[in-house]
Amino acid sequence: GDSVTQMEGPVTLSEEAFLTINCTYTATGYPSLFWYVQYPGEGLQLLLKATKADDKGSNKGFEATYRKETTSFHLEKGSVQVSDSAVYFCALSEDGGGGYQKVTFGIGTKLQVIP
Amino acid sequence: NAGVTQTPKFQVLKTGQSMTLQCAQDMNHNSMYWYRQDPGMGLRLIYYSASEGTTDKGEVPNGYNVSRLNKREFSLRLESAAPSQTSVYFCASSENWGQPNTGELFFGEGSRLTVL
Repeated sequence: GDSVTQMEGPVTLSEEAFLTINCTYTATGYPSLFWYVQYPGEGLQLLLKATKADDKGSNKGFEATYRKETTSFHLEKGSVQVSDSAVYFCALSEDGGGGYQKVTFGIGTKLQVIP
Repeated sequence: NAGVTQTPKFQVLKTGQSMTLQCAQDMNHNSMYWYRQDPGMGLRLIYYSASEGTTDKGEVPNGYNVSRLNKREFSLRLESAAPSQTSVYFCASSENWGQPNTGELFFGEGSRLTVL
């Protein structure tokens, strides 16, 4: 079956440091790939997405490129801020049949940015 | 713009008690989902509903039932709560596959349930 692998963390960085959170996946078809972010006490919200190979998703300074050859979708940001402290989930989505989205999540990576 | 609203936000139950988590979305989405979030396990799908009138089991359905009351509302019921059901529960909705926002889930803020 489908799976998404990411480190659980926590990842602790100083403000303005470079961030990379690795994400690799296995899928039977041609999934869309996502990064979701969860701030403390809140639900998940979409951070960025890519729907086909070589697409780059970007938002709020975060970027990730859909790499089919390495089955990866690593999240990067050039300069993190304290406000980026959150849990980041990598996910893939495929057509589950009957109209629903079959979504597989990674375990989430907790990021802590210290001033 | 409410999006996905779920209630209650917090609940404490004793083993064997029952309760229902309510969820409503105002985005006219066909598909709705219930997930549970546990430390070290990410999000796991409990049940989903691809359209009004249909429901299907996800990865961890045991101990739960669901009702798709109408297009807007999707409830999750615990008939006899167990400590293993202590978790944070999220409701989500989405457009159908093939629509402009294919693949994106819209989440509620979560319901933290503790079973003693």
